[in-house]
Amino acid sequence: GQNIDQPTEMTATEGAIVQINCTYQTSGFNGLFWYQQHAGEAPTFLSYNVLDGLEEKGRFSSFLSRSKGYSYLLLKELQMKDSASYLCGVGPGAGSYQLTFGKGTKLSVIP
Amino acid sequence: DTEVTQTPKHLVMGMTNKKSLKCEQHMGHRAMYWYKQKAKKPPELMFVYSYEKLSINESVPSRFSPECPNSSLLNLHLHALQPEDSALYLCASSHPPGQGYNEQFFGPGTRLTVL
Repeated sequence: GQNIDQPTEMTATEGAIVQINCTYQTSGFNGLFWYQQHAGEAPTFLSYNVLDGLEEKGRFSSFLSRSKGYSYLLLKELQMKDSASYLCGVGPGAGSYQLTFGKGTKLSVIP
Repeated sequence: DTEVTQTPKHLVMGMTNKKSLKCEQHMGHRAMYWYKQKAKKPPELMFVYSYEKLSINESVPSRFSPECPNSSLLNLHLHALQPEDSALYLCASSHPPGQGYNEQFFGPGTRLTVL
């Protein structure tokens, strides 16, 4: 089975840096995904980690430690438009289609 | 074209109605998905089609009937729904596992209300 845990809500200030953590316990692993979802809209893909380490894409970075079952999404230079839910998703095994999401972290960026 | 399109954007239907949701992608993806998302919850997988064949049915009630007419299209036929089926229905597509980078691209969703 899958167990994916992330904080329910976070608040951060415009221009600041915020780190959203995700821990997972899964029976298989085929990569960890981060998606951003604005209210009432579809999730949009942010990042994918399959190997340990840090992946950087502009203001967004994602880190993975497979031995610890841990990932984080780092958002720098926060903008008001970054207010959204951030979903951590785990692909559970080689050859599997299933992407299981955590409950999402609602990030509020304040002036 | 890196877009998944869904129609309609909004749908209101009665419990005796029959309606269909449509999804289309032209990224050459051979895996397509239906998800259901309730407010403040993550998307929940309903069905997966791989190479136009149903691969996964996550114990979804038979009042939801998926169909994949070709590699670009995915439909979800709805019949005799219940008010608790009201949700955002998301379509997604990806390369199948082992066929390259397999992040899922989501469509904008259909907001379904069952009266």
